[in-house]
Amino acid sequence: AQSVAQPEDQVNVAEGNPLTVKCTYSVSGNPYLFWYVQYPNRGLQFLLKYITGDNLVKGSYGFEAEFNKSQTSFHLKKPSALVSDSALYFCAVRAISNFGNEKLTFGTGTRLTIIP
Amino acid sequence: KAGVTQTPRYLIKTRGQQVTLSCSPISGHRSVSWYQQTPGQGLQFLFEYFSETQRNKGNFPGRFSGRQFSNSRSEMNVSTLELGDSALYLCASSLLNTRTSPAEQYFGPGTRLTVT
Repeated sequence: AQSVAQPEDQVNVAEGNPLTVKCTYSVSGNPYLFWYVQYPNRGLQFLLKYITGDNLVKGSYGFEAEFNKSQTSFHLKKPSALVSDSALYFCAVRAISNFGNEKLTFGTGTRLTIIP
Repeated sequence: KAGVTQTPRYLIKTRGQQVTLSCSPISGHRSVSWYQQTPGQGLQFLFEYFSETQRNKGNFPGRFSGRQFSNSRSEMNVSTLELGDSALYLCASSLLNTRTSPAEQYFGPGTRLTVT
């Protein structure tokens, strides 16, 4: 079964430091991977996606993610964290459903807190 | 372009009642997906509609149903509410996903349902 794992429930980073939010996946065939962010009392916002090509994907708000096929990982990164980056982050993978179509399967989320 | 809108934003119902939630997708988006978000289970996929047809369905009981109208607006219905149905229900719209062109989803703010 296809799945995505976010091994850290909580990540704390000092403002100005680089941040990494981890994601690993398990999927049949080529993986299509996404990162979303959720701010309090709001829906999810799309950050970036990997389909094919360059392993380093750049997205919104200065975020980027590195696709590593051998490690089946898609970690989210940012060179310098801002307090406003504090939010809940979700990794997602396209998975084949019982209908034979693709659907998004989300990880459990990682709460990122940037400490001033 | 207006974002995804969901109504109502907050709802309190009694166990045994039924509820209908509404979602209006971004103009031009014909695919609508629904998710249930709870602290314990995270984001769980309910169903996806495209052109008034259900394309995917998650592992929820038959009490959960949905439909999509010709204008792409969607509703989901939960009958015989249980306490465990208390959750944030998120709607997301996108262009059609294909195997070679996975589309990112745009989420609404959600409907917070509380069952007492």
